Amino acid sequence: NAGVTQTPKFQVLKTGQSMTLQCAQDMNHNSMYWYRQDPGMGLRLIYYSASEGTTDKGEVPNGYNVSRLNKREFSLRLESAAPSQTSVYFCAGRQGYEQYFGPGTRLTVT
Amino acid sequence: GENVEQHPSTLSVQEGDSAVIKCTYSDSASNYFPWYKQELGKGPQLIIDIRSNVGEKKDQRIAVTLNKTAKHFSLHITETQPEDSAVYFCAASIGGAQKLVFGQGTRLTINP
Repeated sequence: NAGVTQTPKFQVLKTGQSMTLQCAQDMNHNSMYWYRQDPGMGLRLIYYSASEGTTDKGEVPNGYNVSRLNKREFSLRLESAAPSQTSVYFCAGRQGYEQYFGPGTRLTVT
Repeated sequence: GENVEQHPSTLSVQEGDSAVIKCTYSDSASNYFPWYKQELGKGPQLIIDIRSNVGEKKDQRIAVTLNKTAKHFSLHITETQPEDSAVYFCAASIGGAQKLVFGQGTRLTINP
């Protein structure tokens, strides 16, 4: 099992460009999550999906949209990237109480 | 909403000594408290967790203690080794474990 996978690993965008971060899991998780990690601020929840077909806002949803395409895939979209969205983005899946994280996408917006 | 405070932000210990990282939380309804280890360039990895009906849990060299009355929990690493060097995060559940709120992280350095 690959667990939780994310693509791309690195991305550089110009202000105003759009892109989609992809996440897939093969662990049969019902719930999936998107976090951002900034220095000194831990991980902050952007959006989550409790089950296929549902999505909910987390702590910092502004500027992002998500799609739970099916049980395996949960994507994060930046419609118009801003320098404040420069961060490392992590996807996670939940099994029972435990959350399992992917390797992350490092995004730089110039 | 839930707030999780983690201390210290950096910790340096000699190899073989013990390391302790502490977290406090604000929501008395929180019932699940995991600890994650993050190595450079990787995603956080769950290393140990505790639920609110237990006061202490051990797994080899690592242990977690929980004081529900005081709303704080701690990670203890004994006989530290160089491979323990990493950033550690605590978290507390909200919404019945549906979501986690994370502490700010502790960078642990083990000096040989």
